[in-house]
Order: sequence, then structure tokens, then C-alpha cells
Amino acid sequence: SQTIHQWPATLVQPVGSPLSLECTVEGTSNPNLYWYRQAAGRGLQLLFYSVGIGQISSEVPQNLSASRPQDRQFILSSKKLLLSDSGFYLCAGSPQGRNYGYTFGSGTRLTIV
Amino acid sequence: GESVGLHLPTLSVQEGDNSIINCAYSNSASDYFIWYKQESGKGPQFIIDIRSNMDKRQGQRVTVLLNKTVKHLSLQIAATQPGDSAVYFCAEPKAAGNKLTFGGGTRVLVKP
Repeated sequence: SQTIHQWPATLVQPVGSPLSLECTVEGTSNPNLYWYRQAAGRGLQLLFYSVGIGQISSEVPQNLSASRPQDRQFILSSKKLLLSDSGFYLCAGSPQGRNYGYTFGSGTRLTIV
Repeated sequence: GESVGLHLPTLSVQEGDNSIINCAYSNSASDYFIWYKQESGKGPQFIIDIRSNMDKRQGQRVTVLLNKTVKHLSLQIAATQPGDSAVYFCAEPKAAGNKLTFGGGTRVLVKP
């Protein structure tokens, strides 16, 4: 089975500061990986997904970027955070192929001040 | 598509009663559906899935029903407990690859 590790659990950052959130995967080789953002009381918005090392697709234009330097590592970054970047960030993984559910990490609550 | 901008509808249920959460999907070619449970401050957890060659699947206290004719999916929770209080999301694969489309979510509040 697959386990998604995400850290930190909470983060408070000033406007204009950089960001790096890391996600690592255990239990599956060559997984699909995803970054989601969730505003309070809202649904899940897909930000980025990756089908392999160095392969990143962006779903929505924004102030964030993602990278996948290793098979089981997925990083969400920003050079200069905006107030609108506040939210709950979730990393998820799934096996390659169709019709597999995702396994989610425990999330990072990001507050921009 | 993804309903990320809407406030969540809420289902209030008396402890011990059955809960029914509904989801309409848009892609008639979808062949796989999943229900997730998300407790406050945590990531979503897989509850149960169903493939399109089935119309019903049962788990422990949960049943998923699939009506392909009207593109409707439901999750039934038997004897709802306080620990069932959470937001529930349905999901289906997008046309290509394994990207899932999530429904907007339903908040379930269990009253003692």
C-alpha cells in the first residue's frame, strides 16, 4: 500500500517570502503525484500533477510551481507568496494507469500574513 | 468539472440514523467511482469504490449505489456515528490518465 508523507503540518509565512513544501511517497514505484489546494469549507482544486521525474503539468495559472527531482519526491514552491496563497495543501499519489484511487497526505495548513 | 468555489451543502443526521449522500457525475463514459471522507484538518481518506459493471457495493456500514442511467452515485452510511461527522467527496476519472474529478463535497453533521 502507498503512504504519502507531507510536512510541515502548519506553516505561517509573511507575504513575499518563498515557499517549499515537500511530499514523499512510500510503498509505490513510479507513482502519479498530485498537489491540491483546498480553501476553508471548499472543494479540492488540482494545482499540479506529475507522471514521472521532471514531468510536471500545471492545471491552473498561479503563483506556485512544482518539481519532481526524484521518483518519490514532489515539491511545491513559490518565490514570493501572496495572501491568496493561503489554504490547505494536499499531496496525493496513485499508481500509474487508470482507475486507481488516490492516497492523500495529511496536508499542510499554510497561512500568509 | 471540479466544484472548488462552492460552499459545502450540509446533511444533519441524528446519531443512529442512516445517512445518504448523493453525487451527480457528468461523464457518461466514467467507469470507476470513489468516495472519500475528510475529517477536519486532515487529508481525505478512501472509503469505498465501485466500477461501472456494478450497481451496488457494500463495505463495513457503507454502501455505494451507482445508477448509470441517470449518472447518479450515492453513499449510504448505516447507523451513523459521531465519528462519521466529516466532509464526503465523490470522485471519477477524467477522460485521460488517472486524474480524478472531485465533486464539491457534502458535510455530514451527526447530532447526539
